[in-house]
Amino acid sequence: DAEITQSPRHKITETGRQVTLACHQTWNHNNMFWYRQDLGHGLRLIHYSYGVQDTNKGEVSDGYSVSRSNTEDLPLTLESAASSQTSVYFCASSESGIPTDTQYFGPGTRLTVL
Amino acid sequence: QKEVEQDPGPLSVPEGAIVSLNCTYSNSAFQYFMWYRQYSRKGPELLMYTYSSGNKEDGRFTAQVDKSSKYISLFIRDSQPSDSATYLCAMSVRGANSKLTFGKGITLSVRP
Repeated sequence: DAEITQSPRHKITETGRQVTLACHQTWNHNNMFWYRQDLGHGLRLIHYSYGVQDTNKGEVSDGYSVSRSNTEDLPLTLESAASSQTSVYFCASSESGIPTDTQYFGPGTRLTVL
Repeated sequence: QKEVEQDPGPLSVPEGAIVSLNCTYSNSAFQYFMWYRQYSRKGPELLMYTYSSGNKEDGRFTAQVDKSSKYISLFIRDSQPSDSATYLCAMSVRGANSKLTFGKGITLSVRP
């Protein structure tokens, strides 16, 4: 069955370290998204991609970067981790470019920055 | 003012109750309206979506959109303990290539 996976599921790191969160989907979806979820803020869009070599900034992109070298993967990199980036991170994908297309979410990565 | 506002909760109801969850929004360009359900320590999953104003029913769930008031609702009839989850509303502008704006979510607990 097609799915979307994230790794690691839990990560503890120190301030200033570079961290990469992996997202892999087997739906063959063109669209992929990274969100963070924080109490009191809900889901906020970090970066998104509409296809290979395409990346776009979301509403909270500072301190994060993504690259899309193939259809299946959209890794999220925290260049220099900060305590404010402690959060739960969700990756999602959708098939095409209309708003009613379902976004399928991964199980999340819980990141703690000490 | 955030584009999408959602009652913060949490909300606790007895089994069998009718639940009403609501969101308001400020962007009149929103055309697509969705409700996602998120169980504890899981990713959100799409529950229902509607386009423009009107009602849509799916089993015990009814989604309602009132564009004139910029107000959407999700009704759950005969609520069950298995409905205990966080519910997030989400919206999109027509032609936005599926970029969604989410409400903060409300946590519902249905007591047996």
